[in-house]
Amino acid sequence: AQSVTQLDSQVPVFEEAPVELRCNYSSSVSVYLFWYVQYPNQGLQLLLKYLSGSTLVKGINGFEAEFNKSQTSFHLRKPSVHISDTAEYFCAVSPFNNNDMRFGAGTRLTVKP
Amino acid sequence: DGGITQSPKYLFRKEGQNVTLSCEQNLNHDAMYWYRQDPGQGLRLIYYSQIVNDFQKGDIAEGYSVSREKKESFPLTVTSAQKNPTAFYLCASSPRGGDTGELFFGEGSRLTVL
Repeated sequence: AQSVTQLDSQVPVFEEAPVELRCNYSSSVSVYLFWYVQYPNQGLQLLLKYLSGSTLVKGINGFEAEFNKSQTSFHLRKPSVHISDTAEYFCAVSPFNNNDMRFGAGTRLTVKP
Repeated sequence: DGGITQSPKYLFRKEGQNVTLSCEQNLNHDAMYWYRQDPGQGLRLIYYSQIVNDFQKGDIAEGYSVSREKKESFPLTVTSAQKNPTAFYLCASSPRGGDTGELFFGEGSRLTVL
């Protein structure tokens, strides 16, 4: 089975600063990788996903993530955050052709003015 | 608009009562899922269904039950056997054998047991 570790439970940053949210995974099979965002009392929205091809993936709201197979990582980055980016972010993995998606514990990003 | 509708959004119940959370989708997806979310624990899979009239237990199925009589509906019952039912519950769906594995989520239902 696969598992996901989000290395930071909380990340506070100031507005317009860059941010990186870290995600490592383990799996014995090839996987798809995802980042989801959750605003308070809402469901999860897909930010971006890695299926294959270029290891740098661009998503919505200016976020991007880089797949590193050797380090089994899929870190999320944004060069300049806004107050509106304050939310919980979840990294997830899903094996090829199998909808057994596993989530990390989440990282709460707080953007301060 | 296509999407997943969960109801109610907020629910309060007394200890020992069964409650049923509704999940309806009009995305024509075959697979549907129920997750439980607790602070600091991410999402944990309760039950999932890949096709009508079939469902499987996830990691934390004890104290929960589901049915899948229609493709678009996957209700979750939280029974009195669930020891700590207060949580945020999320329903999701995906195309069966989807080639991306992506899940589409509802807005969630927050259950508080008094």
